[in-house]
Amino acid sequence: DIVLTQSPLSLSVTPGEPASISCRCSQSPLHSNGYNYVDWYLQRPGQSPQLLIYLASNRASGVPDRFSGSGSGTDFTLKISRVEAEDVGVYYCMQAVQSPITFGQGTRLEFK
Amino acid sequence: QVQLQESGPGMVKPSGTLSLTCAVSGGSITGNNWWSWVRQSPGGGLEWIGEIYHSGSTNYNPSLGSRVTISMDKSKNQFSLSLRSVTAADTAVYSCAKVFRYFDHTFDREYYYGVDVWGRGTTVTVSS
Repeated sequence: DIVLTQSPLSLSVTPGEPASISCRCSQSPLHSNGYNYVDWYLQRPGQSPQLLIYLASNRASGVPDRFSGSGSGTDFTLKISRVEAEDVGVYYCMQAVQSPITFGQGTRLEFK
Repeated sequence: QVQLQESGPGMVKPSGTLSLTCAVSGGSITGNNWWSWVRQSPGGGLEWIGEIYHSGSTNYNPSLGSRVTISMDKSKNQFSLSLRSVTAADTAVYSCAKVFRYFDHTFDREYYYGVDVWGRGTTVTVSS
């Protein structure tokens, strides 16, 4: 299985400030089609996960442009340019290049 | 807009079988998607259980061994999860999800757009 390691596991941010979460894969998530099969999801309290970013850097429909994804090789990053109240929750990275699909441990984002 | 709704017993006895159904609305289950089950244990992270395509192809998480079966009923536009020989460790919130992924045989390549629809999840407790 491909193991995904997120850091930090907890993030305390001042509203309006930026935030960044790292996801390191134990193997390359690069598909033969040339894309990195890494997604980012946000699970708000009491809700199901919501897709933010797919294929490492593509924003899902309706996702604000303050969210961006980047990375290559085995290291990937989710950045929030200015954290807002609705961004509180747990962020997960996920790889879908190889079965079984696996998730990172999650990063809890809260306000200071 | 596709929506997913899980249903099934909220409690299962140890050694019994956990059976859940996911009803798909707003779209056909025979479209260009894989249909998945994911679970989240209390206070824990996300664990992928498996997925099914309308062709009948399935993929399962080896961590669950031979205990899991995912099936599909096209006539009812729904898919189901069966997890046998359950223990307390199987207590979790179970969610169904749509994986927007398909293979285009014309261009001989795969397209992937993430797990773009999730059900609200249903809590299943394994207890006598």
